[in-house]
Amino acid sequence: QKEVEQNSGPLSVPEGAIASLNCTYSDRVSQSFFWYRQYSGKSPELIMSIYSNGDKEDGRFTAQLNKASQYVSLLIRDSQPSDSATYLCAVSLYGNKLVFGAGTILRVKS
Amino acid sequence: KAGVTQTPRYLIKTRGQQVTLSCSPISGHRSVSWYQQTPGQGLQFLFEYFSETQRNKGNFPGRFSGRQFSNSRSEMNVSTLELGDSALYLCASSLGTGQGSSGELFFGEGSRLTVL
Repeated sequence: QKEVEQNSGPLSVPEGAIASLNCTYSDRVSQSFFWYRQYSGKSPELIMSIYSNGDKEDGRFTAQLNKASQYVSLLIRDSQPSDSATYLCAVSLYGNKLVFGAGTILRVKS
Repeated sequence: KAGVTQTPRYLIKTRGQQVTLSCSPISGHRSVSWYQQTPGQGLQFLFEYFSETQRNKGNFPGRFSGRQFSNSRSEMNVSTLELGDSALYLCASSLGTGQGSSGELFFGEGSRLTVL
């Protein structure tokens, strides 16, 4: 079993819709959770971090964490074609040693 | 504010050679982490340096090594290159305040290594 699992996609949504990206992790002692976005040919960039159970909102992005279910999700409201990218879920036990999922490809169709 | 700078951006080596990659973190960032990205294995953690000390290490062979200088710049070295070392090597910096860090990383553009 991989430590961090994501559906590889592609996930296709129409412009203006909500995109829902999901991630599960195996290590119960994981402390910190992140979503990174990676455009084709570019390096990853952090879009959300979440450390405690519940929801965290930042603009069109909402991260949700459920430690009991070992589940992290990212919602993107009003999806735009510019949101088309690979979304990487990452988990940290401590510090900057992150374990990344394989990523979910998101395609937003105009 | 300048971002994370990695050099060289592209390089081609042959099996058995060694390579040194360089990373300059964002000014004021004291932690530098290195990651390897391949299509098959994705992003994998190599090591992290903070205040010239290796703070965390991933599951890579001893051929992979690194160091950090007093100005927080970092280098990683891969000796006796193998075909499987072909990858994008990403450096990431963070504030890294003391023991443990937030995991909020700023990545450089990467060094793409091809081993022939």
